[in-house]
Amino acid sequence: DADVTQTPRNRITKTGKRIMLECSQTKGHDRMYWYRQDPGLGLRLIYYSFDVKDINKGEISDGYSVSRQAQAKFSLSLESAIPNQTALYFCATSDRGSYNEQFFGPGTRLTVL
Amino acid sequence: AQRVTQPEKLLSVFKGAPVELKCNYSYSGSPELFWYVQYSRQRLQLLLRHISRESIKGFTADLNKGETSFHLKKPFAQEEDSAMYYCALRPGAGNNRKLIWGLGTSLAVNP
Repeated sequence: DADVTQTPRNRITKTGKRIMLECSQTKGHDRMYWYRQDPGLGLRLIYYSFDVKDINKGEISDGYSVSRQAQAKFSLSLESAIPNQTALYFCATSDRGSYNEQFFGPGTRLTVL
Repeated sequence: AQRVTQPEKLLSVFKGAPVELKCNYSYSGSPELFWYVQYSRQRLQLLLRHISRESIKGFTADLNKGETSFHLKKPFAQEEDSAMYYCALRPGAGNNRKLIWGLGTSLAVNP
């Protein structure tokens, strides 16, 4: 079944460590997104990519970087994790065109101690 | 500025009561509007979009351009409707546009 998967699903790390969150999709979509979800703050876009050669910053990209290794893979890195990056991280994909929905992964719960 | 406002962080109703989750947007052009839902321990998923004018799980939402609103309504709430609901706006023309999200409303339907 075509899907959006994220690894790891849960991660606890320490301040200063480098962390990579991975997203893979089998939907064949060109567009991929990384969001973080915090209580009371909703979903905030970190980075997005409309195709393999296109990477764009979202509203809260500081402290994060991404890599679009292939159409199906979009990784999010925290170069030096800090406690306020503790959050639930979601990857999403969408096809081109108007009114196309975004399909979300199951989320990665990251805790930075 | 383009913005989506969901004024209620939490909405609590009893089973069988009508429910309305409010969404107001700020955008001068023709918007594309969506409602997404996140049930407990499930992925965020699309509930409905204004262009479809459909009813999903008994929910409907009408775009009111005069009031710049896209409120989500259901006449008789069920316990399984308890979830987090997000309103989202895609502004502008052209293909390279990203969604603007509201902060979400947590709906609790009590027995």
